[in-house]
Amino acid sequence: AQTVTQSQPEMSVQEAETVTLSCTYDTSESDYYLFWYKQPPSRQMILVIRQEAYKQQNATENRFSVNFQKAAKSFSLKISDSQLGDAAMYFCAYRSSILTGGGNKLTFGTGTQLKVEL
Amino acid sequence: NAGVTQTPKFQVLKTGQSMTLQCAQDMNHEYMSWYRQDPGMGLRLIHYSVGAGITDQGEVPNGYNVSRSTTEDFPLRLLSAAPSQTSVYFCASSYFGKGEAFFGQGTRLTVV
Repeated sequence: AQTVTQSQPEMSVQEAETVTLSCTYDTSESDYYLFWYKQPPSRQMILVIRQEAYKQQNATENRFSVNFQKAAKSFSLKISDSQLGDAAMYFCAYRSSILTGGGNKLTFGTGTQLKVEL
Repeated sequence: NAGVTQTPKFQVLKTGQSMTLQCAQDMNHEYMSWYRQDPGMGLRLIHYSVGAGITDQGEVPNGYNVSRSTTEDFPLRLLSAAPSQTSVYFCASSYFGKGEAFFGQGTRLTVV
């Protein structure tokens, strides 16, 4: 079974600075997807960014980018120019590729609570 | 589009009571699932469905039942609520294969 580990329960960042959230995972599969979800106090789960394992290029979405190291099974999220609205719980998630028969099940990490300070 | 709609948003139950959490999606997604979120444990999969008439157990299925009679709806039933089922519940849907999961707003359930 796959596992996802987020070793930082809490992180803080100053407004306009850059912060990196860590995520490692364990899998024997070669084809899979990785996601970062944001959960603000409203409780809504919001997709931040996704990475397909067969793509070597790191995904980028505006101020959010990832550092995907497939051999090291590492998938960190970098938030640049942090804003007050970035304060939330961030979850890293793994999903098997349909080609391996794992279906669409998501395996989540335990989350990192990000605080943004003025 | 409404996306994924979950009801209710909040619920308090007494131990032993039953209830159904409703989930509906209007995106014609084949795959639907239920997760529970507990502090320090992330989200864990309860049950999932790959299409109408097909369901299967996830990581923490005990105490919950599901059915999928239509593509749109995937209700979660608690037959006899227990305090250990106090949690936040999320319904999610996606196309089978590519694409991210879309989540409902969540239901905060308290069992006293």
